[in-house]
Amino acid sequence: TQLLEQSPQFLSIQEGENLTVYCNSSSVFSSLQWYRQEPGEGPVLLVTVVTGGEVKKLKRLTFQFGDARKDSSLHITAAQPGDTGLYLCAGVGGTYKYIFGTGTRLKVLA
Amino acid sequence: EPEVTQTPSHQVTQMGQEVILRCVPISNHLYFYWYRQILGQKVEFLVSFYNNEISEKSEIFDDQFSVERPDGSNFTLKIRSTKLEDSAMYFCASKGAVGTDTQYFGPGTRLTVL
Repeated sequence: TQLLEQSPQFLSIQEGENLTVYCNSSSVFSSLQWYRQEPGEGPVLLVTVVTGGEVKKLKRLTFQFGDARKDSSLHITAAQPGDTGLYLCAGVGGTYKYIFGTGTRLKVLA
Repeated sequence: EPEVTQTPSHQVTQMGQEVILRCVPISNHLYFYWYRQILGQKVEFLVSFYNNEISEKSEIFDDQFSVERPDGSNFTLKIRSTKLEDSAMYFCASKGAVGTDTQYFGPGTRLTVL
């Protein structure tokens, strides 16, 4: 069974601080995605990383895929209250199956 | 902008009853998915559907569950005899052609089994 563990589970920080969320697995994935989910809504895709060691930037968000394609991290610089939400990683096990991580609930205080 | 829609937004049912959750995927998409999210827990893959058949399913998707694309636009999830532990948010998602990786999720249906 493929599992994705995220850490930390909860994170509460002040506006302007930096943070890193980790997504770890013992399985290799062809690619890995990061989503953000707001209360009462479905997840929204932020980024897909495909190549081991790949780094992608989306404004203040930096995503990295581990060299072995088993883990990933999301770094947010100068967090803002609008970054508050549930962050989910998802391993792509093929065209047809996505395995979601355990989630990190982020709260950014003004 | 095209979006995935789901109905109803909230369904309350008695244990043992059948429920059908409905989804309208984005019109030119080819891949369809159902996920569930028990309150406070992670998003769990249930099933994927492509070319009018199930492509892959998880161990959660047992004989009580079925999916159908009855008319080329709707995509439904049926739970034959609901259990208390089926209470969750159910999300439908759709994806375009092979080689694309973006799933678009609907807003979900909250299923409450009493």
